[in-house]
Amino acid sequence: GAVVSQHPSRVICKSGTSVKIECRSLDFQATTMFWYRQFPKQSLMLMATSNEGSKATYEQGVEKDKFLINHASLTLSTLTVTSAHPEDSSFYICSAAGASYEQYFGPGTRLTVT
Amino acid sequence: AQTVTQSQPEMSVQEAETVTLSCTYDTSESNYYLFWYKQPPSRQMILVIRQEAYKQQNATENRFSVNFQKAAKSFSLKISDSQLGDTAMYFCAFMKQSGNQFYFGTGTSLTVIP
Repeated sequence: GAVVSQHPSRVICKSGTSVKIECRSLDFQATTMFWYRQFPKQSLMLMATSNEGSKATYEQGVEKDKFLINHASLTLSTLTVTSAHPEDSSFYICSAAGASYEQYFGPGTRLTVT
Repeated sequence: AQTVTQSQPEMSVQEAETVTLSCTYDTSESNYYLFWYKQPPSRQMILVIRQEAYKQQNATENRFSVNFQKAAKSFSLKISDSQLGDTAMYFCAFMKQSGNQFYFGTGTSLTVIP
């Protein structure tokens, strides 16, 4: 099946700094990528949807200036958490959709803000 | 709006036994897809099984099968011959045929007891 990678898998950053998470579709072109946030023992919460070459669509309550999403190519989307604070600590998951309705999930990135 | 409900936060089953996880959903769409995803402790989302709503036949994948009741808007997952590796969070998900956004349930934590 199709493979989606995320980098880094874990990151620790200091409060006030920015951190970038990459999501790559390794063997297919992803016209749409999704970013989710997951708190412990909870479901995935959709943060935003990004289409290649256009601005991301953010879900209600998600600060677009804090969570910057770029989908510059058909195989790469990035999520940048700007001016991170401890409450941004979470597990971030991306998924990528190709031509059909099939979606493939990345392995996730654990962000810890100290 | 689409909603997905998983009414069993936690379940347990003896190894080699059968267990059924419940899922109901609400939608006004007539064409859609339903999924069960497994999230083991590694947190990687793994597709277990999917069902196209226009298909009356219940999907099966080895030890996993679904009971899809379209009129009742019910989509339960049956795991036969449970194995220790089945221990995970299980998420039911809905997707409109016209889009590619997932709507996830709150999840069921399944523990297989040796």
